[in-house]
Amino acid sequence: DVKVTQSSRYLVKRTGEKVFLECVQDMDHENMFWYRQDPGLGLRLIYFSYDVKMKEKGDIPEGYSVSREKKERFSLILESASTNQTSMYLCASSFLHTQYFGPGTRLTVL
Amino acid sequence: AQRVTQPEKLLSVFKGAPVELKCNYSYSGSPELFWYVQYSRQRLQLLLRHISRESIKGFTADLNKGETSFHLKKPFAQEEDSAMYYCALSGRGSGGQNFVFGPGTRLSVLP
Repeated sequence: DVKVTQSSRYLVKRTGEKVFLECVQDMDHENMFWYRQDPGLGLRLIYFSYDVKMKEKGDIPEGYSVSREKKERFSLILESASTNQTSMYLCASSFLHTQYFGPGTRLTVL
Repeated sequence: AQRVTQPEKLLSVFKGAPVELKCNYSYSGSPELFWYVQYSRQRLQLLLRHISRESIKGFTADLNKGETSFHLKKPFAQEEDSAMYYCALSGRGSGGQNFVFGPGTRLSVLP
């Protein structure tokens, strides 16, 4: 059974702070993704990665960066958090066109 | 451009009634289509994919390439079907395989 874990379920940060969201998968999947989930907007892709040290911008990469130093770990970084980045963040890995999601991190930026 | 639309933000039906969640897509090629579901306080999970042609929890979905639709149907809704449903497509983009999700439809099955 695929397991995708995220480092925090809830996170509260202040404007301007640097924020790290961690995601780990245990099934040796090559593909990993970061989305934000907002009511009425569905899931919007921030960044994805097809291999270690490789990254591709999604639909809304502004204000975010990512890091993939190991195959199982994909980190999302908010360089300087802003209130409009308050959202639910979902990590996923994929295999054969199917995505497996983590439980999500609800980030609040004050 | 790759796009998935779900026209209904909220759909309410009574228990035992038929339910249809609409999904339309635009994609220049042959995508794979999926329905994902998120129950309250649970993670997003795959419900079904068109290539499997299977029925999961009584739900089915038929890919209509002519109408570019992939509507989700169930003949008799149950209260436990209440959840958020997302239609998604997977295809080949410039960076490899990519996924596009629709905005979601919240299904509420009333007793």
